Parts: sequence; structure tokens; C-alpha cells
Amino acid sequence: QVQLVQSGAEVKKPGASVKVSCKASGYTFTSFAMHWVRQAPGQRPEWMGWINVGNGNTRYSEKFQVRVTITRDTSATTAYMELSSLRSEDTAVYYCARWAPVAGGHTIFDYWGQGTLVTVSS
Amino acid sequence: DIQLTQSPSFLSASVGNRVTITCRASQGITNYLAWYQQKPGKAPKLLIYAASTLQSGVPSRFSGSGSGTDFTLTISSLQPEDFATYYCQQLNSYPVTFGGGTTVEIK
Repeated sequence: QVQLVQSGAEVKKPGASVKVSCKASGYTFTSFAMHWVRQAPGQRPEWMGWINVGNGNTRYSEKFQVRVTITRDTSATTAYMELSSLRSEDTAVYYCARWAPVAGGHTIFDYWGQGTLVTVSS
Repeated sequence: DIQLTQSPSFLSASVGNRVTITCRASQGITNYLAWYQQKPGKAPKLLIYAASTLQSGVPSRFSGSGSGTDFTLTISSLQPEDFATYYCQQLNSYPVTFGGGTTVEIK
């Protein structure tokens, strides 16, 4: 069965960086892209970017363009999201989500990781 | 960016009620819209994609409709496990965006 298992909660100081991992299993890792979405407390989900796991190409939200880096290690079937220059407003749960093609030219976020809470506090 | 506005933001309903949630896009997105259910402390769960296609394993009491800018999610007979927050999501163009959510609570 498809599983996305994320790394544990993190507490960081303002200005620091955080790197969250997303370990995939149960499918061919390189056949599906991976997105990252975050959700601040009581807020709507917010899309950050995605990676073509097959070739490593990425696309980021303009909001996070200068601070986020999404990578993958195909041998470890793991995707990573690193966010730098953290501030208190980055306190949120960070999710990875598998991106799958479906009929009619549509795509879906069909499997999600369990989420990683990142707390930014001095 | 495409803005998604959901209404209502909160609703109170009883088991067995029919519930309708709307999502309006700031510009046309054809049918590139999905609906998710989220329970506290859990990741969003995909219910509907392409505006009206039920995701595998999702009960048939959930249905979606709409195209262009106006969309609806309907729960035909609310069950105890349906009390949650629901989000719409557009995948028509980047950045992918989500609606503000509708929390369904027990009356």
C-alpha cells in the first residue's frame, strides 16, 4: 500500500532553516511527482511547490521561491523540503502529497504524508 | 493567483441532513477543482476531483458539481463521521490554491 511517512516535529529559532523528509513506499517512487503543502494553525492549506521525482525538476510558489528548496533521493525513495530564513509566520504543519494523473487530463493529490509540525520560536 | 471563496465558513447540521457547500473561483477554472475532507490533526483526504468525479473508496453520499467559476459539494445524508472541515482546491493554474474551508459541526 502507498505510504508517505514524514520526519518528526521540529522547533527552530527565527533565521534558521528546516529540512523535512517524506519517505515513500508501496509504489514506484520515480513515476509520480511530489508536492509540498503547508497549513498554519486554523488556516487554509497553502501550496509551496513540487518536484518531478523522475528528473528532479522543480516549480515553486512565488511566495516561497527564494526560501524553499525541494529535492529528492531516488535511492532512498525520499523527498525533502527545506525552508530557510524561518520566521514565526512559518509555524505550520508541512505535508508532502503525491501527484497522480487520472483520466481526462486531470491530476490529483491522492496520498498525503501525516504532516510535520514546524514551530518557529525564539 | 486564483482565489477560491467557500460558503458558508461554518454550518451546523444534524445526522441525516442534506448539506451543500459552495466554492467560487475568481476566474474560470473549467472543471479543475477538487474537494477534500480534513479532520483535526489529520492530513486532507481527497473526496472529489475534476469537479464531479468521486475518488475511489469515497462513499456515494458525497457528490460534486459545477464548472467555470461556481462549484458545489453535496453530502446527501450526513453521517457522524462526516463532521469535519471541507476545502476546495483548484489545479487549473499555478499557484495551486485552496478555499478558506467550511467546518461542519453537529447540531
